[in-house]
Amino acid sequence: ETGVTQSPTHLIKTRGQQVTLRCSSQSGHNTVSWYQQALGQGPQFIFQYYREEENGRGNFPPRFSGLQFPNYSSELNVNALELDDSALYLCASSVGRNTGELFFGEGSRLTVL
Amino acid sequence: GESVGLHLPTLSVQEGDNSIINCAYSNSASDYFIWYKQESGKGPQFIIDIRSNMDKRQGQRVTVLLNKTVKHLSLQIAATQPGDSAVYFCAESSGGSNYKLTFGKGTLLTVNP
Repeated sequence: ETGVTQSPTHLIKTRGQQVTLRCSSQSGHNTVSWYQQALGQGPQFIFQYYREEENGRGNFPPRFSGLQFPNYSSELNVNALELDDSALYLCASSVGRNTGELFFGEGSRLTVL
Repeated sequence: GESVGLHLPTLSVQEGDNSIINCAYSNSASDYFIWYKQESGKGPQFIIDIRSNMDKRQGQRVTVLLNKTVKHLSLQIAATQPGDSAVYFCAESSGGSNYKLTFGKGTLLTVNP
């Protein structure tokens, strides 16, 4: 167990709706990264939050946004859902912002119909 | 665009044998490489990393080899055990942004008893 918890574990939405996914980081970790993993693919970097600010962003449109709270937990928000947004969304926490040693949660499985 | 890829999508080995999982990358600017293991229904788990100024690094039962000349990375697992059965991903980053990982598609390792 990594100590990173994500909720909800599964959810179904329809195209055009909005979704919020939540993540609690491991104790002592001040950085949270979000990844999208499509079925049969490797994870793709969405963005990272450090000290409540976005520290870096992958190739995702602005309708993907996030927040980090003072307790280092984080949210991923996706607006105007599209069918291709169906994926496993992984949250990972780390000590410091520039490390590849990430501690992943088990993910939130989003299905868009 | 440049991406990280894998030579084989599946690998089947006998328990106790050594396993070698290969990975090719195309980004000549990649300076940090990392291997993750993902078991079914779980998030990726860090195995080992290596920087571009090294060509070999060893961990517990695992060795990563980096050949920058041919842009090739491999993960060797000694005395493979049933618990090693999982999907293995290589990932890379560049420009010193170790947190911004680009993952390959993964190799499914199956260990037969």
